[in-house]
Amino acid sequence: DSGVTQTPKHLITATGQRVTLRCSPRSGDLSVYWYQQSLDQGLQFLIQYYNGEERAKGNILERFSAQQFPDLHSELNLSSLELGDSALYFCASSPRGANYGYTFGSGTRLTVV
Amino acid sequence: GENVEQHPSTLSVQEGDSAVIKCTYSDSASNYFPWYKQELGKGPQLIIDIRSNVGEKKDQRIAVTLNKTAKHFSLHITETQPEDSAVYFCAASSTSYGKLTFGQGTILTVHP
Repeated sequence: DSGVTQTPKHLITATGQRVTLRCSPRSGDLSVYWYQQSLDQGLQFLIQYYNGEERAKGNILERFSAQQFPDLHSELNLSSLELGDSALYFCASSPRGANYGYTFGSGTRLTVV
Repeated sequence: GENVEQHPSTLSVQEGDSAVIKCTYSDSASNYFPWYKQELGKGPQLIIDIRSNVGEKKDQRIAVTLNKTAKHFSLHITETQPEDSAVYFCAASSTSYGKLTFGQGTILTVHP
């Protein structure tokens, strides 16, 4: 157990639907990062939050949004889902920023049918 | 922004051989270089990291070297074992409060 908790582990949904992925960071970590990993693809950065505020944004689609709550857990919302959104979504946390090292969760596997 | 290139994309070795994975980065301000191992069905796990003020770091069978002038860093695994089979990612970061930029990954297969 890495200390980063992601739920659900698996999600199957239909095109056009909306889903919410949840991440609880490791105790004491203030930064949360979301990454997308498609089949045969690397880790594509989506968005970073630090202590409740958006810190950096990557290649995140407008149909996707995220937030970090006062208790530091984070949610990634994916709407108007398309087949191409099927992927593994990872959350990672760090004490502050990247230079302190990431701890990844075990991921949520999203399948859009 | 930062760009990290990783080679090779696949690497196949015999048990006991050494494996080397290489990465180059574009941002000369990058100062933190971690390596992650991802086993099937799991999240990436940090295995070793190096900062820009160090040229080499070892941890048992794994080592990382950094050449700041050439902007490249490498992962060396000696005496490989079948359990080393996984996807390995290099990454780089240039700011303390920023994010990691990952390479595309290397699928390492160690044959018994």
